[in-house]
Amino acid sequence: DIVMTQSPDSLAVSLGERATINCKSSQSILYSSNNKNYLAWYQQKPGQPPKLLIYWASTRASGVPDRFSGSGSVTDFTLTISSLQAEDVAVYYCQEYFSTPLYTFGQGTKLEIK
Amino acid sequence: EVQLAESGGGLVQPGGSLRLSCVVSGFTFSDYWMSWVRLAPGKGLEWVANIKQDGSESNYVDSVKGRFIISRDNVKNSLYLQMNSLRVEDTAIYYCARDLMWLDYWGQGTLVTVSS
Repeated sequence: DIVMTQSPDSLAVSLGERATINCKSSQSILYSSNNKNYLAWYQQKPGQPPKLLIYWASTRASGVPDRFSGSGSVTDFTLTISSLQAEDVAVYYCQEYFSTPLYTFGQGTKLEIK
Repeated sequence: EVQLAESGGGLVQPGGSLRLSCVVSGFTFSDYWMSWVRLAPGKGLEWVANIKQDGSESNYVDSVKGRFIISRDNVKNSLYLQMNSLRVEDTAIYYCARDLMWLDYWGQGTLVTVSS
């Protein structure tokens, strides 16, 4: 089974500054036949369902602000918020779908304002 | 507008059963895989189960295998999760989601509490 490990568990960043969240998979989630990384990122605010931000490791979902970006390949991935806004306070999760139709989430990273 | 609405949650004793429902609108339900995902108190998201478009294939996380059954009714645009032999550790908010491998639309969730 693939294990997804996020770091840090929590993070405090000043408004307007960059926030970086890491996600590491226990094995490669790069599918060689299509050269795609099978990774998604979600944002979950308190009392709300998760919201899809990124899929294929770097493709922004519809309507997601361009301050959110995903990068990385093989086993190491990063979600970057280029300029933190107050409304970005949330828990962020990565999810692998390389094991499709089975999926695994990371443990989550709580992002707060410093 | 895509909408997913879960129902059926509540308080149940350990060993009991509960059936969750998810009614969807705004897309052709029968064209998509569907998933259930849960969020336990103080924990992270956990994918629970999914089901193929025609219901011919379903998959489960190990912790619910043999206890939970996912099903769907494409005429009623509805997804279900039959939960049996419930344990305290099944306490969570349960979300249904449209499954493209990534989960692009989610319901608001329904709370299941397993406690004596």
